[in-house]
Parts: sequence; C-alpha cells; structure tokens
Amino acid sequence: QQQVKQSPQSLIVQKGGISIINCAYENTAFDYFPWYQQFPGKGPALLIAIRPDVSEKKEGRFTISFNKSAKQFSLHIMDSQPGDSATYFCAAVYYNQGGKLIFGQGTELSVKP
Amino acid sequence: DSGVTQTPKHLITATGQRVTLRCSPRSGDLSVYWYQQSLDQGLQFLIQYYNGEERAKGNILERFSAQQFPDLHSELNLSSLELGDSALYFCASSVALAGLTGELFFGEGSRLTVL
Repeated sequence: QQQVKQSPQSLIVQKGGISIINCAYENTAFDYFPWYQQFPGKGPALLIAIRPDVSEKKEGRFTISFNKSAKQFSLHIMDSQPGDSATYFCAAVYYNQGGKLIFGQGTELSVKP
Repeated sequence: DSGVTQTPKHLITATGQRVTLRCSPRSGDLSVYWYQQSLDQGLQFLIQYYNGEERAKGNILERFSAQQFPDLHSELNLSSLELGDSALYFCASSVALAGLTGELFFGEGSRLTVL
C-alpha cells in the first residue's frame, strides 16, 4: 500500500536548470516530511526536511514547498549540477509509530553537462 | 560514512535457503530500521526496533524475522528464500524514535541475489 506517491520516476535536466520532483501523501497523520538523496552504491542520506506547519524551507540550492491542504510537497533543485545526479526519495514520518518513515518510489535525476 | 555497518555486502544463495543479514548501528543510536529496496517497489519499510524491542512493523513477510540484541546490533533473518526476495536490504539507525527530525542514517546495504 503506497501512502506516498512520487513523480516523475525519472528526470533529465540540463546543467543550470531547475529540477522539480513532486510527492503526494494520503494520510494526514504524517508528522514530518524529509527528502533523501541516494548515490549509486550508497544508502540514502537526508537532504532536507520540512514540518507540515511550514510552507517552504530552503537550504542552499534545495527548496521544499509544502501544500498541506492539497497534501502535496515538492523538491526544487535550483542551478542543477551534474553532481546532483542521484535518486531522490520523498518520505513521510509517523511520530506515533516510532518514527516510521514511509518512502515514495524514488526519482532518478540525471543532470546533463 | 554514515557510521552504520552492514554485512555481508553481497550474498548469492539458492531458493529455499536461509540467510542472516547483520547491522551495527551508529554509536549511541538506539533505533534500528530495516528496509527492502527493489526496482519495482522502491524502499519498503520492514521493521523497526528500539533498544531491543520491536516498535513498528511494515510489510515484512512471515518468512522474515529480525531482532535487536543487547549490544544494539540487529539481524534480519530471511528464510525459505524465493526469487522475488532478491533485493538490496538496508539497515538504518537513529538516536531515538526516528527521527523526531525524520533523519535516519543508512548503511550501504546488503545485496541479496536468490538464484
């Protein structure tokens, strides 16, 4: 049962462009929304996260936009670089279930030079 | 380096067999999580332990079991293996119950191939 839906499955962006990845969730009991970045051969690593009472969070070139009423959130990567090429996962956290993270399907991002 | 150690990194076995995957969490982390990553299913939550006790369960098959030991390392046991069990199995850890920050620290995974 997929509770967090992510799109697109893959994305190709030119260097310097904006990469946008979208996620939608179903369960309003989620408490926190992190994004993870995974390079080939490595485990996922936390990139940026947002609480549901905040509409936007920016860290460097990475921005999360959050729309609570629509139950959607997105990751924007500004000035995308070839080094950003990786798989990105959105996730949602249940605090009252031991902090269980439910991940989206993942988006494979390729930034072309 | 996340500080989470998983062994073995690669494992090839036959259908019907049993394997054990091992995870050592970061020093000081009490929570351990197991995830299964396959191409068509993404990262699927299997099970979570906190300080030796099971805290949350996901889509874990009855053929699979896990435990967390007093020294906080964890093992995931997979039995009666089927071809569809071939996947990358990740262990992750966090200081407390996940991540009040939503941050888990992942190991590099154990790649299981069932032939």
